[in-house]
Amino acid sequence: GAGVSQSPRYKVAKRGQDVALRCDPISGHVSLFWYQQALGQGPEFLTYFQNEAQLDKSGLPSDRFFAERPEGSVSTLKIQRTQQEDSAVYLCASSLDWRRQGVGYTFGSGTRLTVV
Amino acid sequence: DQQVKQNSPSLSVQEGRISILNCDYTNSMFDYFLWYKKYPAEGPTFLISISSIKDKNEDGRFTVFLNKSAKHLSLHIVPSQPGDSAVYFCAASALRLTGGGNKLTFGTGTQLKVEL
Repeated sequence: GAGVSQSPRYKVAKRGQDVALRCDPISGHVSLFWYQQALGQGPEFLTYFQNEAQLDKSGLPSDRFFAERPEGSVSTLKIQRTQQEDSAVYLCASSLDWRRQGVGYTFGSGTRLTVV
Repeated sequence: DQQVKQNSPSLSVQEGRISILNCDYTNSMFDYFLWYKKYPAEGPTFLISISSIKDKNEDGRFTVFLNKSAKHLSLHIVPSQPGDSAVYFCAASALRLTGGGNKLTFGTGTQLKVEL
């Protein structure tokens, strides 16, 4: 597709429920990022993939968060046993070449997760 | 520890006048700085960037200035238009630290409102 697609757009989960958030990056983009944006804050880095390899997961807040990109295209962010503090917008972004720092990458519209 | 700071949560300017959005950073390892624009319910959109070896970059109505000694950058929009009303995020990257991946550290954003 022309842009980064994320689904679902909205997700309401009961506390303790597991959720899976999907990201379809721009075709051919090597780099894929997940960010978490809490209300009133800027996006915060969660994890990074280069093709299927997860090269940086330093931003994942706990072992309840898990991300994968098994074939180097679609990625899934999974959150187990959701808690209220997980409520946020989860943004996915992709980039053709991670070395092109000045170009910026393309974000999807995000998934708004609300844990009740 | 907020490494990228946007101290003004909001800014209001009249159409046709100049908008100046400010950003401060603390990490001297940052080597690229970017500005993103975000409309409600959409992901951030890349606007303009600047390398740490430069002090100015211009693209149409948008100019970014970098003062490395003060660890300060600013985004100038002139003339401002109603369609510029959005949240603007300052972001920084330090490629040498990430070993690839170009992850961004964002500020908390400034809501710009351009009034008729």
